[in-house]
Amino acid sequence: AQSVAQPEDQVNVAEGNPLTVKCTYSVSGNPYLFWYVQYPNRGLQFLLKYITGDNLVKGSYGFEAEFNKSQTSFHLKKPSALVSDSALYFCAAGRGGSQGNLIFGKGTKLSVKP
Amino acid sequence: EADIYQTPRYLVIGTGKKITLECSQTMGHDKMYWYQQDPGMELHLIHYSYGVNSTEKGDLSSESTVSRIRTEHFPLTLESARPSHTSQYLCASSEGAPRSAFFGQGTRLTVV
Repeated sequence: AQSVAQPEDQVNVAEGNPLTVKCTYSVSGNPYLFWYVQYPNRGLQFLLKYITGDNLVKGSYGFEAEFNKSQTSFHLKKPSALVSDSALYFCAAGRGGSQGNLIFGKGTKLSVKP
Repeated sequence: EADIYQTPRYLVIGTGKKITLECSQTMGHDKMYWYQQDPGMELHLIHYSYGVNSTEKGDLSSESTVSRIRTEHFPLTLESARPSHTSQYLCASSEGAPRSAFFGQGTRLTVV
């Protein structure tokens, strides 16, 4: 079965420190990978995506993610966290084939303390 | 800026009532989706549509129904609401497969 795993329910980081939010996937074919962020009482906002090409993808708000095919991972990173980065982060994968439905991980709550 | 709208944002309704959650997008996307999300939890796909007159059930079984009569409109209906339907419902649309989806702000439904 195809799936996306986010092994950490919560990540706590001090402001100014680097952050990593982990994601691994199990998707048939070439994966299409995404990160979304959800602020309280809001819908999901697109952060970045990997379709093909360079394994390091840069996205909105200074976030980046590294695609690692051998480890089937797509971890989200930021060199210097901000308190305003505190939110719920979802990793998603597009299925192979023509359907293109996204499979979401269960989300990771990021908490950045001053 | 993506334009996808959901109404209402919040709804509290009694058991047994019929409700329709509205979702509209102005981007001309063929694909639209409904996800169900409990607070702070993962998203579950409950319905999707690849175009007008096309609707399919998603991974999570749901008692709701959807229709797609127009490209821009993808309403979700519950014929008889129950407390177990209390959740957040997120609508999304995308341009094609597999493109990043744009999400509405969600409807938080509470059935009492």
